[in-house]
Amino acid sequence: TQLLEQSPQFLSIQEGENLTVYCNSSSVFSSLQWYRQEPGEGPVLLVTVVTGGEVKKLKRLTFQFGDARKDSSLHITAAQPGDTGLYLCAGTSSNDYKLSFGAGTTVTVRA
Amino acid sequence: DTGVSQNPRHKITKRGQNVTFRCDPISEHNRLYWYRQTLGQGPEFLTYFQNEAQLEKSRLLSDRFSAERPKGSFSTLEIQRTEQGDSAMYLCASSFGFFGEGGKPQHFGDGTRLSIL
Repeated sequence: TQLLEQSPQFLSIQEGENLTVYCNSSSVFSSLQWYRQEPGEGPVLLVTVVTGGEVKKLKRLTFQFGDARKDSSLHITAAQPGDTGLYLCAGTSSNDYKLSFGAGTTVTVRA
Repeated sequence: DTGVSQNPRHKITKRGQNVTFRCDPISEHNRLYWYRQTLGQGPEFLTYFQNEAQLEKSRLLSDRFSAERPKGSFSTLEIQRTEQGDSAMYLCASSFGFFGEGGKPQHFGDGTRLSIL
């Protein structure tokens, strides 16, 4: 059972547009990680957030962790075709080691 | 930094055969994880090692599955008497953390894709 729900499941936009992916749960997480995965490859870690309300920026990507540490969002500004991929959020509970993943959001950026 | 390495990248086998996968974690990482990913889903946790000790196993890991990490370095995942439902991408990840520390970033290999004929 996936504890994290991601929305939307699919997102197709034109190059230069902005997009936001959401990750929601009824559970509190001690940390939340975002990954990007391309077909036939493993997930690549983008960011880890641990503090409620935390905002992290990675070039055109902005990650936010909800105040209650139950939800997160990923915002991409001026998307490029290279941003195409499966975006996964994953959380860990307090003192736990394993990641619980959402089902992912498939993002397609058209040139 | 050589990253997490998994072999083989692809494995095709007949139902009922045994298969073994290998994972070499990032050298300074003391934790190693196995996950399974099926099409359209996020990875699901299978098992976890802290050094050479296997500390947790998911209920997904039936008695046909066994994982080892001798000497706390590389790990192997073996599936005996494979079934059609075992077809998936098997991912290995590693991280560093002291005992009791949760939430450490995990770095993944590119996985082994298993296809059961």
